[in-house]
Amino acid sequence: DAGVIQSPRHEVTEMGQEVTLRCKPISGHNSLFWYRQTMMRGLELLIYFNNNVPIDDSGMPEDRFSAKMPNASFSTLKIQPSEPRDSAVYFCASRYSQVSNQPQHFGDGTRLSIL
Amino acid sequence: TQLLEQSPQFLSIQEGENLTVYCNSSSVFSSLQWYRQEPGEGPVLLVTVVTGGEVKKLKRLTFQFGDARKDSSLHITAAQPGDTGLYLCAGVDSGTYKYIFGTGTRLKVLA
Repeated sequence: DAGVIQSPRHEVTEMGQEVTLRCKPISGHNSLFWYRQTMMRGLELLIYFNNNVPIDDSGMPEDRFSAKMPNASFSTLKIQPSEPRDSAVYFCASRYSQVSNQPQHFGDGTRLSIL
Repeated sequence: TQLLEQSPQFLSIQEGENLTVYCNSSSVFSSLQWYRQEPGEGPVLLVTVVTGGEVKKLKRLTFQFGDARKDSSLHITAAQPGDTGLYLCAGVDSGTYKYIFGTGTRLKVLA
């Protein structure tokens, strides 16, 4: 079975540009999570969806960040305008259900560099 | 704010040695998970512990959940170079189902 698929794997762009990160969760999973990982702050939860509905976006750093999940098989995380401090690895993860001890399955991440 | 502190932050040991990684919080979690992450990849789940005092074994890895469900430990026996990676604990908040990830322990096992 295919795991969580993220694209692109790497993105390098200049500050001020719009960045869109994409995620395809595992089929049948109804919870989706976006994380950001940096050396300084570790792995931080940005937002998560349950059944395509945003449940908690308290981790989204600023209004420049937005996330959508138009259907069960696709989600995007958008940064507009991007800034150098947004440079990080962004992970998407999905989970079968909202039951707390279910495992999250992570994609391989998008390494984002804002120049 | 819930925090999960892991110690040590970095660990470099020789093949064959034993080690223990700790994950501590002042908050109670409904369950706790341990993940291992290798460079260029996302974290991969190793184990989930649910009951206070629970002990789980995965080959040479032993995981324990504290009695009060606030802390956990990971013990590796006879470490091997293949154990090298970033180890992350993650507590699950019973009310929100959010995962709170620990600060991470970077382990390097030298051959």
